[in-house]
Amino acid sequence: EDQVTQSPEALRLQEGESSSLNCSYTVSGLRGLFWYRQDPGKGPEFLFTLYSAGEEKEKERLKATLTKKESFLHITAPKPEDSATYLCAVHYYSGGYQKVTFGIGTKLQVIP
Amino acid sequence: DAGITQSPRYKITETGRQVTLMCHQTWSHSYMFWYRQDLGHGLRLIYYSAAADITDKGEVPDGYVVSRSKTENFPLTLESATRSQTSVYFCASSEWQGQETQYFGPGTRLLVL
Repeated sequence: EDQVTQSPEALRLQEGESSSLNCSYTVSGLRGLFWYRQDPGKGPEFLFTLYSAGEEKEKERLKATLTKKESFLHITAPKPEDSATYLCAVHYYSGGYQKVTFGIGTKLQVIP
Repeated sequence: DAGITQSPRYKITETGRQVTLMCHQTWSHSYMFWYRQDLGHGLRLIYYSAAADITDKGEVPDGYVVSRSKTENFPLTLESATRSQTSVYFCASSEWQGQETQYFGPGTRLLVL
């Protein structure tokens, strides 16, 4: 079964305490993996797209990496404004159709 | 302003009523999507459209109808609302399905009593 699993479900960090969020997937025919940030009451906001294993992308304090089975979103020295839910989504082929499946997300809280 | 907008932002309705959620984008993106987001579930695709007059079912299409007569608009209709359709609905658009970023609207919070 095609699945996208994010861990942990929730993460509480002190300001400046670096950590990583995980997105693991069991799909075949990967076309791309997306990371989004979602603030309460708002729609998801695009962060990164990764297409192949070994690829890395960075934006400010965030760095996304991709392997054949999972992706990590590394947060370096987070600030309170990084508090949000981070979603990953996988674009893949299944049964001849293109599909996009989202994970449930990791809710990050950064405490001053 | 350019972007993707949804209306209404909040809606309360009763079981059995018809409800239409509106979505408008100003980028002239080919693809548009409707998702619902519920606690314990990731975003789930309801319907999508590759272009005007071309629509297709997603993962959870039952009880919903879409149309796309113009590229910029993609309304979602609940023909006879049920309590299980209480959710937050997001519209998104992209230039190419999955090959490019999906840009999301602010969402519509729907409560069915």
